[in-house]
Amino acid sequence: GAGVSQSPSNKVTEKGKDVELRCDPISGHTALYWYRQSLGQGLEFLIYFQGNSAPDKSGLPSDRFSAERTGGSVSTLTIQRTQQEDSAVYLCASSPLVGTGPRETQYFGPGTRLLVL
Amino acid sequence: AQSVTQPDIHITVSEGASLELRCNYSYGATPYLFWYVQSPGQGLQLLLKYFSGDTLVQGIKGFEAEFKRSQSSFNLRKPSVHWSDAAEYFCAVGARSGNTGKLIFGQGTTLQVKP
Repeated sequence: GAGVSQSPSNKVTEKGKDVELRCDPISGHTALYWYRQSLGQGLEFLIYFQGNSAPDKSGLPSDRFSAERTGGSVSTLTIQRTQQEDSAVYLCASSPLVGTGPRETQYFGPGTRLLVL
Repeated sequence: AQSVTQPDIHITVSEGASLELRCNYSYGATPYLFWYVQSPGQGLQLLLKYFSGDTLVQGIKGFEAEFKRSQSSFNLRKPSVHWSDAAEYFCAVGARSGNTGKLIFGQGTTLQVKP
């Protein structure tokens, strides 16, 4: 079946502009995650969704970052007033429902490469 | 604070040689443990995971890993490396409690395979 898809695959924006990144999880996967991969910081967790709610937002680096999920499916990560340090690859993953801890395998999408000029 | 350390940023091995990638973690209790691989232009793929029981776990592509509680380590091994194993490898931990599937990743080890 189809895996996790993300769009756009690449995004170039100017400092100060807002960007929206989209994630389509594997059908039926209740849990959805956003991570960020950058040269200086490695792979960092951003936010975890269970259905449409986000019980763990501990990784969002600032209030410029927000995410939502609708219909228990598609998720959008929004970065407002982008800064050059936001340049990174943003990865989305999904898994079946998470009980206690990440027992279920997380399936990752190909990522969106964001470059802020 | 929870953390994962992969001491080797870059490793080069000859094709057919054995491989061991190191991973150490700092955690309050024994976490869930994972190894992921990221090939050029590909997404992250799970190689194997440890939850409980036998401390030697088998994964895909001929990889295995051994959990050693006394050393807080979860090293990845492969007896004979193939050129297609060249990739970046990430060790990760996840909490056993709490309503989150959050994974904490190490910085990654890049594996180069010499012909």
